[in-house]
Amino acid sequence: GENVEQHPSTLSVQEGDSAVIKCTYSDSASNYFPWYKQELGKRPQLIIDIRSNVGEKKDQRIAVTLNKTAKHFSLHITETQPEDSAVYFCAASIVSAAGNKLTFGGGTRVLVKP
Amino acid sequence: DAGVIQSPRHEVTEMGQEVTLRCKPISGHDYLFWYRQTMMRGLELLIYFNNNVPIDDSGMPEDRFSAKMPNASFSTLKIQPSEPRDSAVYFCASTLQTGTQQFFGPGTRLTVL
Repeated sequence: GENVEQHPSTLSVQEGDSAVIKCTYSDSASNYFPWYKQELGKRPQLIIDIRSNVGEKKDQRIAVTLNKTAKHFSLHITETQPEDSAVYFCAASIVSAAGNKLTFGGGTRVLVKP
Repeated sequence: DAGVIQSPRHEVTEMGQEVTLRCKPISGHDYLFWYRQTMMRGLELLIYFNNNVPIDDSGMPEDRFSAKMPNASFSTLKIQPSEPRDSAVYFCASTLQTGTQQFFGPGTRLTVL
């Protein structure tokens, strides 16, 4: 089955700096890659996703890049703010008519220091 | 819409007892997922349904776990008998279409003593 590795496990950045989280996946058939943010004691919430037919996607301060050949994708957060502090999870899945089974990475705890 | 609803929010039980977790997906969502989150294993999919039919239960850890979806607005995850290693936060999520955003419920924090 799919295996997703995520690095780093913790990341501390100064407010205003950029944060980058990297993930690799094992199944070349995976075609959907969402990123979730989970604040302490809360539920995971989608922040951005990308499909395999796109190499990059941006939404305000957040961007995701995908390299299908290398089977890795990354999350970039620019101009970090204290409210960006949370755990971030990447995931990979194969989308079919029957559904899509998300395999999550281990998570990255991001701390933005004011 | 109230979002995905889960109950109870917290459950403390003793080893050997039966535990039933409940989920109401967002109205109109055809897919429902049950996840378990622990520090050791992270966030892992247990089972998911499409139109009330279980599609993939390969993540269900063992026969002590069972899940049902009797109708489009209700699902249960049952653990019988419960063990201390089942202690975790259990999330239910739903989505309208395959390959789109999954909306998570608030979770049920289960503690098995």
